[in-house]
Amino acid sequence: RKEVEQDPGPFNVPEGATVAFNCTYSNSASQSFFWYRQDCRKEPKLLMSVYSSGNEDGRFTAQLNRASQYISLLIRDSKLSDSATYLCVVLGLRGNQFYFGTGTSLTVIP
Amino acid sequence: GAGVSQSPSNKVTEKGKDVELRCDPISGHTALYWYRQSLGQGLEFLIYFQGNSAPDKSGLPSDRFSAERTGGSVSTLTIQRTQQEDSAVYLCASSLWGPSLAGGPNEQFFGPGTRLTVL
Repeated sequence: RKEVEQDPGPFNVPEGATVAFNCTYSNSASQSFFWYRQDCRKEPKLLMSVYSSGNEDGRFTAQLNRASQYISLLIRDSKLSDSATYLCVVLGLRGNQFYFGTGTSLTVIP
Repeated sequence: GAGVSQSPSNKVTEKGKDVELRCDPISGHTALYWYRQSLGQGLEFLIYFQGNSAPDKSGLPSDRFSAERTGGSVSTLTIQRTQQEDSAVYLCASSLWGPSLAGGPNEQFFGPGTRLTVL
């Protein structure tokens, strides 16, 4: 089983829509979680860390559900510029390895 | 300030040749990672350097792959006797501190990658 699994999508949503992505992780003892954004043919960039209590950054909200071992990313009021691939990242138990999901593709349509 | 840089940006080589990929991390960053990303795949961890500690090589796919980090700064990833399945984008990332420091500044900053094509 993969350490991190994501629905690859693609998600095609109209501008202004709300969209949510989920990501599951296999190791219940994992402690650190992140969402990265990767634009086409570009390098990944940190979007936000995911904290146990959930956290919000503008239109973006990240949640952690330890019981079900998933993290989520909610994007409200989608903009065209949100079109990208969103990567779920989990820090492995050994503390050295970040496990990346394969990414969820989002296209926001005018 | 300058971000992570990688060279070359593109490399085309013939099967069986050796290649060297270079990464210049952000100055002062103690942690350095190498990943590779194949089309439609997630990032695959290759190797991790933290300060002067022995690197974590657990992600290297075969003994044809090796990496070193000189003087705690520049890193070189070497692939010997390249195979077609080595074709991928090789990404380097650095962070101020290593990930094992809970709550520490372990955000990874990625370089633009080297696109390797093995013919």
